[in-house]
Amino acid sequence: DIQMTQSPSSLSASVGDRVTITCRASQSINVFLNWYQQKPGEAPALLIYASSSLPSGVPSRFSGTGSGTDFTLTISSLQPEDFATYYCQQTFSTPTFGPGTKVDI
Amino acid sequence: QVHLVQSGAEVKKPGASVKVSCKASGHTSPAFGISWVRQAPGQGLEWMGWIGTYSDKTNFAQKFQGRLTMTIDTSTTTAYMELRSLRSDDTAVYYCARGRAVAERYTLDVWGQGTTVTVSS
Repeated sequence: DIQMTQSPSSLSASVGDRVTITCRASQSINVFLNWYQQKPGEAPALLIYASSSLPSGVPSRFSGTGSGTDFTLTISSLQPEDFATYYCQQTFSTPTFGPGTKVDI
Repeated sequence: QVHLVQSGAEVKKPGASVKVSCKASGHTSPAFGISWVRQAPGQGLEWMGWIGTYSDKTNFAQKFQGRLTMTIDTSTTTAYMELRSLRSDDTAVYYCARGRAVAERYTLDVWGQGTTVTVSS
């Protein structure tokens, strides 16, 4: 299986901050990388797919970059509703998720 | 807009089986299969397996091979996940989720609300 790592595992930030989360795959996954946001007590929600594409309805402050083994999720200006846990997922082979990054105040 | 509605919480004893349902409502087509993902208390997400819309194809995470069965009843647009030989570490919230597109079957754009399964003697 392809192993996914994320850093940091948690971070504290303020409203308006620029936040960057990284995800690394144990082998090249091209751009088969998705990001999900999960708020406490809720199901995850798709945030970015294919490394950099935003589904309709996702605010433009979210962006994703990367290919191969290294990927980044950026929130350009953190909003109160963005405090959540973020997971990366590779779909190059049998899917696996990263361990998550918790963003709190 | 598609919604996935899952069955209610379950409490099972070790060694038993659990079957969770996931009904699609709203504009249900096209659909590109259903994945099952679980989340143990306080832990991250774990992908378990995928079944094609017409039950013609499946893919499993290695650790669930032989213990997990997934089915879809197209007449009722309901997917089912059965996990056998339950252990205490199977205690988790189980989610069903829809694949986004035919070439992105594991990109999950619609999720059920989750079903809590507790395994305890």
